[in-house]
Amino acid sequence: AQKITQTQPGMFVQEKEAVTLDCTYDTSDPSYGLFWYKQPSSGEMIFLIYQGSYDQQNATEGRYSLNFQKARKSANLVISASQLGDSAMYFCAMREPQGGSEKLVFGKGTKLTVNP
Amino acid sequence: DAGVTQSPTHLIKTRGQQVTLRCSPKSGHDTVSWYQQALGQGPQFIFQYYEEEERQRGNFPDRFSGHQFPNYSSELNVNALLLGDSALYLCASSLMAGPQHFGDGTRLSIL
Repeated sequence: AQKITQTQPGMFVQEKEAVTLDCTYDTSDPSYGLFWYKQPSSGEMIFLIYQGSYDQQNATEGRYSLNFQKARKSANLVISASQLGDSAMYFCAMREPQGGSEKLVFGKGTKLTVNP
Repeated sequence: DAGVTQSPTHLIKTRGQQVTLRCSPKSGHDTVSWYQQALGQGPQFIFQYYEEEERQRGNFPDRFSGHQFPNYSSELNVNALLLGDSALYLCASSLMAGPQHFGDGTRLSIL
């Protein structure tokens, strides 16, 4: 069963505007972590933001914020004041600590294009 | 502070050959995970190493094997290469329950 769903294959946004990238997840484990990574065309995966399942407040890191709605099992990424350099693939991932492992399960990604 | 480094950056092999990919974790990290990312897909977990032991394995055949050395660096070995093994192979390192930091990856092409 797919555990991470990103329903937007592609998104377009104008420079300086905000954009929301959707992510829903499925797990029966009460303890889990949610991550967003950015992957430019060069291939590197860049860690953006983390939200723990027990965190009371939504995570924020600079222009990135995570809209965490636990009951709806969603963890949307909000990028404020988009920049041309934000154009990339964005992946949502979940970590379920099983037997001490910290394996990440990724969604299929959303390609964000920022237009000037 | 060096991040995760992977070598080589690109590799071309033919079917049936064997390949070894290398990864040096970020300074201070003790756990290494390997992922395979096919074109247009998200990364898929291969396995994770901690204290030189394979701690968890994803749904990959035994042709995929690995090793972690005392200095925490790691190798991914793939035997009897298939065309479907063509992908970007990503190494990630972490410490305890911290976020995984990825290297730039190795692009493996099988002819």
